Amino acid sequence: EAQVTQNPRYLITVTGKKLTVTCSQNMNHEYMSWYRQDPGLGLRQIYYSMNVEVTDKGDVPEGYKVSRKEKRNFPLILESPSPNQTSLYFCASGWDVNTEAFFGQGTRLTVV
Amino acid sequence: KNEVEQSPQNLTAQEGEFITINCSYSVGISALHWLQQHPGGGIVSLFMLSSGKKKHGRLIATINIQEKHSSLHITASHPRDSAVYICAVYGGATNKLIFGTGTLLAVQP
Repeated sequence: EAQVTQNPRYLITVTGKKLTVTCSQNMNHEYMSWYRQDPGLGLRQIYYSMNVEVTDKGDVPEGYKVSRKEKRNFPLILESPSPNQTSLYFCASGWDVNTEAFFGQGTRLTVV
Repeated sequence: KNEVEQSPQNLTAQEGEFITINCSYSVGISALHWLQQHPGGGIVSLFMLSSGKKKHGRLIATINIQEKHSSLHITASHPRDSAVYICAVYGGATNKLIFGTGTLLAVQP
């Protein structure tokens, strides 16, 4: 089954404790992206990747890092999480920017 | 002003009604997406459009590139259509996806 898998689904952590949210797709897609969703602000793009070892900033990259060492995985790293990073996060993949996007189930992160 | 505007923000309909959600954008685009998000749930891609019209079951999406406008229509609406519908565009010279703030649809039986 074609899917994008995020882990964990829910995470509560403390300020400053490094964490990684994983994202994996099994469709051999080249394009992958991370978004956060906040009430009243909607979805905003954090980082995206056009292919292996090719990543670029979205609209809200501050406080986040990503890597794309292999095509299927695109982890989101929060080196020092802060409460303003409490949000619902989505990973997505597609063949490229002009094709259908497949979204992961979402990760609800709370930073206290 | 947001680069992607949706209307209405909230919509309540009776089961069976024909529903239209609108999306206007101010940037040049290469593609437009319509997404669906159920309460507490994930996001599903409904359509990707670069021109014309697409139909899938009771859902129809149209786009007018010259007018920078797209519509999502739902025929014979059903309570299970209740969700947030989100319009998103790939802005012209960038590979970034720009989202509208969504339309919350409630279909009452």
